[in-house]
Amino acid sequence: GAVVSQHPSWVICKSGTSVKIECRSLDFQATTMFWYRQFPKQSLMLMATSNEGSKATYEQGVEKDKFLINHASLTLSTLTVTSAHPEDSSFYICSAMAGTGQETQYFGPGTRLLVL
Amino acid sequence: GQNIDQPTEMTATEGAIVQINCTYQTSGFNGLFWYQQHAGEAPTFLSYNVLDGLEEKGRFSSFLSRSKGYSYLLLKELQMKDSASYLCAVNSNTGKLIFGQGTTLQVKP
Repeated sequence: GAVVSQHPSWVICKSGTSVKIECRSLDFQATTMFWYRQFPKQSLMLMATSNEGSKATYEQGVEKDKFLINHASLTLSTLTVTSAHPEDSSFYICSAMAGTGQETQYFGPGTRLLVL
Repeated sequence: GQNIDQPTEMTATEGAIVQINCTYQTSGFNGLFWYQQHAGEAPTFLSYNVLDGLEEKGRFSSFLSRSKGYSYLLLKELQMKDSASYLCAVNSNTGKLIFGQGTTLQVKP
């Protein structure tokens, strides 16, 4: 159990385009999902917390207009990188949690974004 | 502030035992997680400690001392496939995970 999927796993796009990444909890309902970004040889940095049916909470320094998050159902959250630039190239990872508080976060396989 | 410290790199021999330490100072505490991350892949859950003491799960054990702000991950009978990064993460009271920088473990034959 506790499987989280992400799509796509790889994406290469031109500078200025928008990219949508999907995160799905396959065998449980995720009331809370998290979006992380990880640069090479660095740890995971939380970008935002997404709760089903409400607006995402962004971490300090993360532009909410650039990284649009939608958590429309208990099994799906999407992250859209708008007007992507080369510095947005990174490994984007989502995680899902069944409840709030103590429950374990289960991570998706990640999406590697390369902006040319 | 929030601070989680782990050694950056460790090296150990196949078949041996290795202990990866983690110290933390956070404004809230609702448990500590250990994750394993292979290069280019997402983290996978290893263990969760919320009470003091040792949690054992096969070749992996994790220890927590809340009063000392200290945890360790113990890996026994090391295998080559254990070469990976090991991430210590504290669950704050808001449910967010605060990650340490990760410890890259290299297992040598």
